Amino acid sequence: EAGVTQFPSHSVIEKGQTVTLRCDPISGHDNLYWYRRVMGKEIKFLLHFVKESKQDESGMPNNRFLAERTGGTYSTLKVQPAELEDSGVYFCASSQRDSVGQYFGPGTRLLVL
Amino acid sequence: AQSVTQPDIHITVSEGASLELRCNYSYGATPYLFWYVQSPGQGLQLLLKYFSGDTLVQGIKGFEAEFKRSQSSFNLRKPSVHWSDAAEYFCAVGSYNTNAGKSTFGDGTTLTVKP
Repeated sequence: EAGVTQFPSHSVIEKGQTVTLRCDPISGHDNLYWYRRVMGKEIKFLLHFVKESKQDESGMPNNRFLAERTGGTYSTLKVQPAELEDSGVYFCASSQRDSVGQYFGPGTRLLVL
Repeated sequence: AQSVTQPDIHITVSEGASLELRCNYSYGATPYLFWYVQSPGQGLQLLLKYFSGDTLVQGIKGFEAEFKRSQSSFNLRKPSVHWSDAAEYFCAVGSYNTNAGKSTFGDGTTLTVKP
C-alpha cells in the first residue's frame, strides 16, 4: 500500500511569488490534514478535510493560504503571495473515517527568500 | 485547549544505554496520545499510540510508553538504544470527534546516539 506522498519535496521561491504544494493521501482515506513546522518549532495544525469538505480550518494563518481538495482525493495548498515567515516544512497526513491515528507524508520543505 | 510539553530539546545517550523521553500533556478529557519519530529526510512515523486500556503501550522498534493520568505524562522508553534510533521524536495529543482527530504536537526532542 502506497503511503502519503507530497510534492515537491523541496521548494525555494522568492518573497511575493506563489507556490502550490500537493498531497496525495492513502487511497480510501477520507480525512486529510495539513500541518506545518516553522523554524524548528512545534508542528502546528493548519486544516482538516473530510473528503472534499473543509471540516476545520482554524489553523490557517491568514488569507494568503488556500487549500483545496477537489473530488476528495488529492489536496493542494497554495501560498500567494509567499512571505519570509512562511518558510518551514509542510506536512500532510491522512486517516480513515472515524480514525484518530494519522499517516504522515515526508513533508515539503519550503524556503522563501 | 490541549497542549503538549516535551521538556528536553536535546538528549544524548550512548549506544546500548536505556532511553526515556518525557512528555506532559494538558487535555480536558481522556486524551489520545501518540509518539512519532522523524529521521532526517523522512516523514513522521508513528511509533505507538494510546487510546484506552492498558497504560503500558508497546510500539514498533522496541519502544514503549506509559500513560500516567495522575502525572499527565506519556513518557517514551527503550531499554537499549541503537545508533539508528538517532532522530527527532514528537509527542502528540489528539482529540476525537466523529470525523475529527487533529493532533497537537510538542516541540520535539532530538536524540543523539554516541558510539
